[in-house]
Amino acid sequence: GENVEQHPSTLSVQEGDSAVIKCTYSDSASNYFPWYKQELGKRPQLIIDIRSNVGEKKDQRIAVTLNKTAKHFSLHITETQPEDSAVYFCAAKSGGGSGNTGKLIFGQGTTLQVKP
Amino acid sequence: NAGVMQNPRHLVRRRGQEARLRCSPMKGHSHVYWYRQLPEEGLKFMVYLQKENIIDESGMPKERFSAEFPKEGPSILRIQQVVRGDSAAYFCASSPPTGGLTSYEQYFGPGTRLTVT
Repeated sequence: GENVEQHPSTLSVQEGDSAVIKCTYSDSASNYFPWYKQELGKRPQLIIDIRSNVGEKKDQRIAVTLNKTAKHFSLHITETQPEDSAVYFCAAKSGGGSGNTGKLIFGQGTTLQVKP
Repeated sequence: NAGVMQNPRHLVRRRGQEARLRCSPMKGHSHVYWYRQLPEEGLKFMVYLQKENIIDESGMPKERFSAEFPKEGPSILRIQQVVRGDSAAYFCASSPPTGGLTSYEQYFGPGTRLTVT
């Protein structure tokens, strides 16, 4: 079935360092890959996304890369700050085309700790 | 512009009771998704609805769970005869109509934390 694997499960970095989280997906028809940040007890917040017709997208300190051939995508956070500490989830939209189901398949999450 | 609204935020039910969770999508959004998050786990898709239609319910347990999105009013996720294993955070997300540049984006509500005692 559809599956998204996310690594690592926990990541600890020093403030100012970079953090990289990686995901692989199984459904070759997936065409949309969002990343969510979830703070304790809060809602998942969309921070960046990428569609399958693009290889890379950047928004200030965060960037996402996509390798469709290998079916993996990554989140890169540069110049990390303590407020970046949270759980990060990758996801892949199931299926392809405009008339598809639209459901997101989520990875297991990465707990990022940024030490001051 | 109000975001996705969910109520109640916290719900406590005894085993065997019914739980009703409500979700109002963002203004202009016509697609609603329900996800369940068990403690310290990821989000699992349950059901995808448009107004008066269930589009995909492949993630819904076969028994006790149902969902609707009527022409008027919020989407409702209903759990009958709750059991302890139903304790979780239930999130609703909404997205714009298909065809636009942002139609894939899903925005989440604050969630309903269901506790079954």
